[in-house]
Amino acid sequence: LAKTTQPISMDSYEGQEVNITCSHNNIATNDYITWYQQFPSQGPRFIIQGYKTKVTNEVASLFIPADRKSSTLSLPRVSLSDTAVYYCLVNNAGKSTFGDGTTLTVKP
Amino acid sequence: GAVVSQHPSRVICKSGTSVKIECRSLDFQATTMFWYRQFPKQSLMLMATSNEGSKATYEQGVEKDKFLINHASLTLSTLTVTSAHPEDSSFYICSERGKGNQPQHFGDGTRLSIL
Repeated sequence: LAKTTQPISMDSYEGQEVNITCSHNNIATNDYITWYQQFPSQGPRFIIQGYKTKVTNEVASLFIPADRKSSTLSLPRVSLSDTAVYYCLVNNAGKSTFGDGTTLTVKP
Repeated sequence: GAVVSQHPSRVICKSGTSVKIECRSLDFQATTMFWYRQFPKQSLMLMATSNEGSKATYEQGVEKDKFLINHASLTLSTLTVTSAHPEDSSFYICSERGKGNQPQHFGDGTRLSIL
């Protein structure tokens, strides 16, 4: 299973754009990149998934360079409620190994 | 809406008790489900893969006789923590494998506290 590396923590302020980068140097050809958000005492919640280039949905964008060895989750105009742990996973229709995640703290 | 329903959300019991956690697929297509454990301020750790109609596959270091998994239908997988002890106290989370390249969907987790 591909290993992922993310910054342990990030701080931001309300209204700012936040970019969290994940490294996955050993990503396989068939692997997709998926990002999850987790609040304390809750299960992870799906944010966005992509394979290459750029994906955008109503809550985030995901940027994936051509070599696919990294990806960047972009959260536009964060609010206090976006304070959570964010996990990047690479998977191929099967089990995924969670990395350590990034704890994002949004300050007023 | 939610795809996976997990119950109970919280359990507090005495040492030596066996505890069953249920994970239900609300789209009736759970051929494969995963069970994770998460200790405070740590990431999720995969315990086992639950396959409908067959034996579960356990990750290295996870005692299969301690953590019994049953997956008899497309809608329900259960994890039973047998003779639980304080060190088994943790947050247990199940997920349903996505179809094709679709992402996993997770339950809301079960907080297990053994006194």
